[in-house]
Amino acid sequence: GDSVTQMEGPVTLSEEAFLTINCTYTATGYPSLFWYVQYPGEGLQLLLKATKADDKGSNKGFEATYRKETTSFHLEKGSVQVSDSAVYFCALNSGGSNYKLTFGKGTLLTVNP
Amino acid sequence: DAGVTQSPTHLIKTRGQQVTLRCSPKSGHDTVSWYQQALGQGPQFIFQYYEEEERQRGNFPDRFSGHQFPNYSSELNVNALLLGDSALYLCASSFGQGRSYEQYFGPGTRLTVT
Repeated sequence: GDSVTQMEGPVTLSEEAFLTINCTYTATGYPSLFWYVQYPGEGLQLLLKATKADDKGSNKGFEATYRKETTSFHLEKGSVQVSDSAVYFCALNSGGSNYKLTFGKGTLLTVNP
Repeated sequence: DAGVTQSPTHLIKTRGQQVTLRCSPKSGHDTVSWYQQALGQGPQFIFQYYEEEERQRGNFPDRFSGHQFPNYSSELNVNALLLGDSALYLCASSFGQGRSYEQYFGPGTRLTVT
């Protein structure tokens, strides 16, 4: 079945540091890949997505590239801010008759000033 | 443009009781999915409704049931509550089908079972 593995957290960085959160997946078919962000006490917000190999999703300075050969979709940001502190979830949808999102366990990011 | 709304925000119930959670999808969306998020975990898919029918179901017991109304809003019902049902319940809405469609999440209902 489908599964998503994210790097274990928590991740603590100083403001303006470089961020990488690793995500690898196992899926049947040809999945679409997503990163969602959850701020404290809130629901999930879609951060970015990619729907085919070598696609790069980007939003608010965050980027992730769909790597089919390594089944990965790592999240990166060149310079994090305190306001980026949140939990980040990698997710996939494998399509066909499968309509659900399958999520990783999430990675807590804390950015200190 | 209103996003996905859920009610209530918080709920406290006793073991064995029944609960109903409600969701209104984002304007223009016709599909509603429900997820359970335990503390410190990623959301787990419960089921999805489209055209008032359950289209797909995750690994949840029959105690979990749902409904979608003609206006696309939805309810999640949980019977015979267990302590382990304590979680954040998230509703997500979307439009259309296919693996690339985006699901938009509401703020969730925090259910505590004592």
